[in-house]
Amino acid sequence: ETGVTQSPTHLIKTRGQQVTLRCSSQSGHNTVSWYQQALGQGPQFIFQYYREEENGRGNFPPRFSGLQFPNYSSELNVNALELDDSALYLCASGDRVSDTQYFGPGTRLTVL
Amino acid sequence: GQQLNQSPQSMFIQEGEDVSMNCTSSSIFNTWLWYKQDPGEGPVLLIALYKAGELTSNGRLTAQFGITRKDSFLNISASIPSDVGIYFCAGHYGGSQGNLIFGKGTKLSVKP
Repeated sequence: ETGVTQSPTHLIKTRGQQVTLRCSSQSGHNTVSWYQQALGQGPQFIFQYYREEENGRGNFPPRFSGLQFPNYSSELNVNALELDDSALYLCASGDRVSDTQYFGPGTRLTVL
Repeated sequence: GQQLNQSPQSMFIQEGEDVSMNCTSSSIFNTWLWYKQDPGEGPVLLIALYKAGELTSNGRLTAQFGITRKDSFLNISASIPSDVGIYFCAGHYGGSQGNLIFGKGTKLSVKP
């Protein structure tokens, strides 16, 4: 059973640019969730996808958007990057019934 | 929004000591999860709890889902150096729509 993988590992962008982060879910899972983790804080929920549709969203503006593909891989897109978007972005896959989520290693985004 | 109060914020351990940390919420939770996160990595699931009163062990780790469904604790027995890291409690409540709510973490360090 393969785990959750994310790419890239690190990314540096400048303010105003757009970024796409990618995630491959663990085999057998049908939900993908994205979280933002600022330094010294717990992860904050951005949104979850189930059957390729958004299934819940946290307190993040519309410039944070996502996609889930039929093979359960997923993308997080962030437009008009701001300095405060600098964080570790975590992808988690899970099963909708059990509510348990398994995390990938994360993508460290730095916005200059 | 909903928050989890996790304590202590940090603690120092000596090898062989037992460790205890807990999490409380103002709402009733349906699931409690405990994760460990090492620097630069994603959270790793340690224990998942699904029923009030449930007591579950994973090696030297033991966690319980509080009877009131508003709290959970994690105990680590006979700590070893590789136990250092940040431990997070997380959970789902009725209105969370796939959103895992996280505590702010308990940082475990080795006593100098």
